[in-house]
Amino acid sequence: DGGITQSPKYLFRKEGQNVTLSCEQNLNHDAMYWYRQDPGQGLRLIYYSQIVNDFQKGDIAEGYSVSREKKESFPLTVTSAQKNPTAFYLCASDWGTEAFFGQGTRLTVV
Amino acid sequence: GQQLNQSPQSMFIQEGEDVSMNCTSSSIFNTWLWYKQDPGEGPVLLIALYKAGELTSNGRLTAQFGITRKDSFLNISASIPSDVGIYFCAGQTAGGTSYGKLTFGQGTILTVHP
Repeated sequence: DGGITQSPKYLFRKEGQNVTLSCEQNLNHDAMYWYRQDPGQGLRLIYYSQIVNDFQKGDIAEGYSVSREKKESFPLTVTSAQKNPTAFYLCASDWGTEAFFGQGTRLTVV
Repeated sequence: GQQLNQSPQSMFIQEGEDVSMNCTSSSIFNTWLWYKQDPGEGPVLLIALYKAGELTSNGRLTAQFGITRKDSFLNISASIPSDVGIYFCAGQTAGGTSYGKLTFGQGTILTVHP
């Protein structure tokens, strides 16, 4: 089955630690995206990549980093510089029009 | 950045009622998408619209791409309990570095009482 897989589903992080969220797709999509969702708010774009080895900052990139070494993979690292990292993180991919989403990762800072 | 105004923010309805929600923008979009998100899950695409004036149905759902390309609406007819969730509109522009990026509305939280 084609789709987007995010892991883990739930992630707990201690303050001051970096964590990496995984996103893998087998849809052969060129573009991949990371969004952050907070309660009562819409989806805000963190980073996006339209091609391997290239990525662009979105609207709220501070405190996050990404890499795109393979077409299928677009991991997101939440660094200790992100002051309020507790949120629901969504990965998406598309080939230019309709975006498809993964199941999300809920990150909680403890 | 671009903003989408989605309304209403929340709706509480009785099973069997029809639902209508809409999104407006100050910018022109060339694609409008409507998604539904269940709690703790990723959004699922419901309907995609590609042409101004286009009216598209998917079962009990109907969506339209506004003539001005700055708005879209979603209707749900004869609501059922499983329609509960958050509905998002999303607009996409073309050109330059914006191509492929979606701008999302704030979401409409739908509650259906049996």
